[in-house]
Parts: sequence; structure tokens; C-alpha cells
Amino acid sequence: SQTIHQWPATLVQPVGSPLSLECTVEGTSNPNLYWYRQAAGRGLQLLFYSVGIGQISSEVPQNLSASRPQDRQFILSSKKLLLSDSGFYLCAWSVQDGNTIYFGEGSWLTVV
Amino acid sequence: GDSVTQMEGPVTLSEEAFLTINCTYTATGYPSLFWYVQYPGEGLQLLLKATKADDKGSNKGFEATYRKETTSFHLEKGSVQVSDSAVYFCALIPALMDSSYKLIFGSGTRLLVRP
Repeated sequence: SQTIHQWPATLVQPVGSPLSLECTVEGTSNPNLYWYRQAAGRGLQLLFYSVGIGQISSEVPQNLSASRPQDRQFILSSKKLLLSDSGFYLCAWSVQDGNTIYFGEGSWLTVV
Repeated sequence: GDSVTQMEGPVTLSEEAFLTINCTYTATGYPSLFWYVQYPGEGLQLLLKATKADDKGSNKGFEATYRKETTSFHLEKGSVQVSDSAVYFCALIPALMDSSYKLIFGSGTRLLVRP
């Protein structure tokens, strides 16, 4: 069966510091991969999605970037964090021709 | 563009009460519809889905029927438990997409079930 893992689960970072959140999927090949953010008291917003290695699409302009160095690895990064980057970040995956998206456990980021 | 609207919470119920969380959508054609649940401090879990009109998704006692005529996908459960306390998200994937499937979420409805 397929599983998705992301880490770290919790992160407290100072303003201006870098960020790296990592996500891996097991048990499937060539998945679509996604990064979502859930700000406090708000809904979920799609940040990035990827349909293959090195292929990244950004949904909203922001202080973050994403990379997909391997088929089942998706990384969310920032060079300099802002207070507004605080939130709950969720990695997700789907099969290429499937229409169901499955989420990881999420990572809590607090920028102080 | 496509969107999802769900009732604002919190919804507070006593154990064994009947639950309805309303969800309506705006979309072209026949989107796929989903309910996700988020327990405190956790990620999102897929609760149920429906991919065509009149389909009924069901799981763990929850049900939702895809109503094209009213563009709705209301979540129901006949008898809620304290363990059902969570935030529930209605979502859709648009009918006409490229190879990626992008979920569009409602704002979420918090459910609190009291013993």
C-alpha cells in the first residue's frame, strides 16, 4: 500500500532563517505531488504541484519554492522566512490518472 | 472560477444526535466531490467521495450524495460520537483538468460533539 511521510512534524524558526520541509511517497511510481498550506483559522491553499521530476508549478506568488529531485520526493524551501509563512503545511499525492488526493501528516511551522 | 461553500461552524451537538454539514459548489460540468476530515493536530484524511451525479459516498457511518440539480454534497451522519469531533472540509476537483488534479476546498466546518 501507498504511504506518505513528511518531516519535520513541528518547526520553530526565526524570521530570516531558511526552511526545508521534506515529503516522500512510498508504494507508487510517478505520482503527482502537492504542497498545501493551512493558515490559522483558514482553509487550505494549494502552493505547488508537480507532475514529474523537475516539473514544478506554482499556484500563488510567495516567499517559498519547491523542488522534486527524485520521483517520490518533494521539498518545500525558503531562503528567508517571513512571519506570514507560519502555518500548517501539508504534502499530498495522487496517481497520474486518478482523481483522489491523499495527504501526509502535516508540518507545523511557527516563524518567530 | 470553481468554488466550494460550506456552512460556518462550529457545529455543536450532543452524542447520538443527527449531523448535517451543508456543502454547495460552483463548477463547470461534473466535478468530483470529496469530504476530508482533520482531527486535532493531524493531517487530512479522505472521508468519502463521489465522482458522478447521484453517487452516494459513504464511510464510517457518514454519507453524502452528489446532487447535480442543487449543486450540493451535504455530509450526514445518523448518530455522532465524541470521537467525530474534528474539522470537516468539502472539496472538489474540477471536471476539465490537465494531468494534475487540484483540489479546491471549502473553508472547513468544526464539529464538536459533547458527551
